[in-house]
Amino acid sequence: QSALTQPASVSGSPGQSITISCAGTSSDVGDSKYVSWYQHHPGKAPQLMIYDVDSRPSGVSNRFSGSKSGNTASLTISGLQAEDEADYFCCSRTTSALYVFGTGTKVTVL
Amino acid sequence: QVHLVQSGAGVKQPGASVKISCQASGDTLTSYYVHWVRQAPGQGLEYIGIMNPRNGDRSFAQKFQGRVTATRDASTSSVYMELSSLTSEDTAVYYCMRETPASCYFDYWGQGSLVTVSS
Repeated sequence: QSALTQPASVSGSPGQSITISCAGTSSDVGDSKYVSWYQHHPGKAPQLMIYDVDSRPSGVSNRFSGSKSGNTASLTISGLQAEDEADYFCCSRTTSALYVFGTGTKVTVL
Repeated sequence: QVHLVQSGAGVKQPGASVKISCQASGDTLTSYYVHWVRQAPGQGLEYIGIMNPRNGDRSFAQKFQGRVTATRDASTSSVYMELSSLTSEDTAVYYCMRETPASCYFDYWGQGSLVTVSS
């Protein structure tokens, strides 16, 4: 199972919106309603930000939103804040009932 | 507050095995699935496999089959992942994660265990 493809880095100024893409195949993202996104500050445990493509856990800011079109899922961060600077990665359940992760995206707040 | 606590990191010789434990503080893992992933230096996350601590069922990504095992200790509510025949390519931070059955997402993660394979 090949990793899902994410841009290596995305940057934006405070207050702007950015979108991180997560490209998969018809064997994972394209055939799954179970796409999730995680925020990872180095040295800390990753945190769930989005699940089931577009659902947000309680406690996660509504500035974070998820979507999917075909084989590509996306995470949008609106009103970018300094605290959003972190690594982000997507995850999809596969047709073989296991999981595949994205290559990871480093978000920089300019 | 739930925390997944990992132990078992360190430097290993090529050909050796590493056994990493994952234990929940503030809860028990018995009611959840436990997954394992790893992140090699400068790389993305690589999925290893899943274990159901309640009944011991487990499944691993094809890449790791034959080289990975997962066990449980009900007395300590711990889950263990052991990877054998280590090579330098197994150098990575290994994470355990918790999934509420059938949710298909990971709500709690361990802090990570750095395994370095070097002679």
